[in-house]
Amino acid sequence: AQTVTQSQPEMSVQEAETVTLSCTYDTSENNYYLFWYKQPPSRQMILVIRQEAYKQQNATENRFSVNFQKAAKSFSLKISDSQLGDTAMYFCAFMKHVLQGGSEKLVFGKGTKLTVNP
Amino acid sequence: GAVVSQHPSRVICKSGTSVKIECRSLDFQATTMFWYRQFPKQSLMLMATSNEGSKATYEQGVEKDKFLINHASLTLSTLTVTSAHPEDSSFYICSAHNNRPTNEKLFFGSGTQLSVL
Repeated sequence: AQTVTQSQPEMSVQEAETVTLSCTYDTSENNYYLFWYKQPPSRQMILVIRQEAYKQQNATENRFSVNFQKAAKSFSLKISDSQLGDTAMYFCAFMKHVLQGGSEKLVFGKGTKLTVNP
Repeated sequence: GAVVSQHPSRVICKSGTSVKIECRSLDFQATTMFWYRQFPKQSLMLMATSNEGSKATYEQGVEKDKFLINHASLTLSTLTVTSAHPEDSSFYICSAHNNRPTNEKLFFGSGTQLSVL
């Protein structure tokens, strides 16, 4: 079974600074997807970024980027130029690779509560 | 972007009653939908996988007779909490898998806060 570990229950950062959230996972699969989701106080789950394991290049989405280390099974999220609206719970998640048309469940870490201070 | 509608957003009920939660994919077909449960300050825990036209697959420890799932069409899955008790109080979230070949596949509903008195 796959497991996802987020070792930082809470973190804080000053507005405009950079913060990195850690995530490690365990799997015997070779092909899979990794995700970071944001859950603000509204509790709506929002996809931040996604990485496909077969791609060596780290995914980036504007101020968000990941450091994907497949051998180490590490998938950290870097948020640059932090904004007040980034305050939220952040969940790292794993999904096994699926064939076209198929679907697999997400396995979530316990989350990191990020607070951006003005 | 794709939208998943979940209703109701909040429900308060008496112990012993049943509550139905709906999850609809508004602009795509979803062969598969997932139901999660989230306790305060905790992560999402998968309860079951709902497949259109077939029985749901439940995770270990989830009572099938307690949490009834129906996925009768490609755009609607329902979760019924039967004979609800205070320990069933929680935040329930659905997600729907978009069958089309798009970059983002999974879309979440906005969740339902269930409070059982």
